[in-house]
Amino acid sequence: QVTLRESGPALVKPTQTLTLTCTFSGFSLRTSGMCVSWIRQPPGKALEWLARIDWDDDKYYSTSLKTRLTISKDTSKNQVVLTMTNMDPVDTATYYCARTEEEDCYMDVWGKGTTVTVSS
Amino acid sequence: SYELTQPLSVSVALGQTARITCGGNNIGSKNVHWYQQKPGQAPVLVIYSDSNRPSGIPERFSGSNSRNTATLTIGRAQAGDEADYFCQVWDSSTVVFGGGTKLTVL
Repeated sequence: QVTLRESGPALVKPTQTLTLTCTFSGFSLRTSGMCVSWIRQPPGKALEWLARIDWDDDKYYSTSLKTRLTISKDTSKNQVVLTMTNMDPVDTATYYCARTEEEDCYMDVWGKGTTVTVSS
Repeated sequence: SYELTQPLSVSVALGQTARITCGGNNIGSKNVHWYQQKPGQAPVLVIYSDSNRPSGIPERFSGSNSRNTATLTIGRAQAGDEADYFCQVWDSSTVVFGGGTKLTVL
């Protein structure tokens, strides 16, 4: 059974750096074709893709956010970490990680999400 | 950057067929994926690569994609199908989501 779980702070202050961890089981990022993506959703709004990391350590970022994002993986711990710098209230959202298929890039299993509020 | 356009809302009578569209320039040349999201829950993949159903998704869910429009079709709509639906593609090494469509089952 494939599962993913997001963890991180529920509240961050403006200008701070957010660090989120995705801990997964049931698959390995050592396996060819496996990837993990981060996606966020502000309250009442649409999904917004943030970043993806592949089994071979290829990394992809949202064009509009790439200067603020860093994605990395620890295959021994089955974890993917996303950092987002210079947080702003508009970054308040639920953040999801999802297992992602490499070639067609669909997200077949999602975590439950973690809510992050940016406020002083 | 590539854009996907979805209607804000679609209504369907109980037991009838709902069609949700996703428009994009030459979207027929891309692989389109669809997600269902119920309130307070994470999205669930319901169709991948235009017309494929993941295991556990009812046969009532189907997809098509041609020229400038991809379509998610939900046959024999049930109250439990009421949700937001998002289309998604991979373009120029980035993921693009549509704005989402709220499906109401009357």
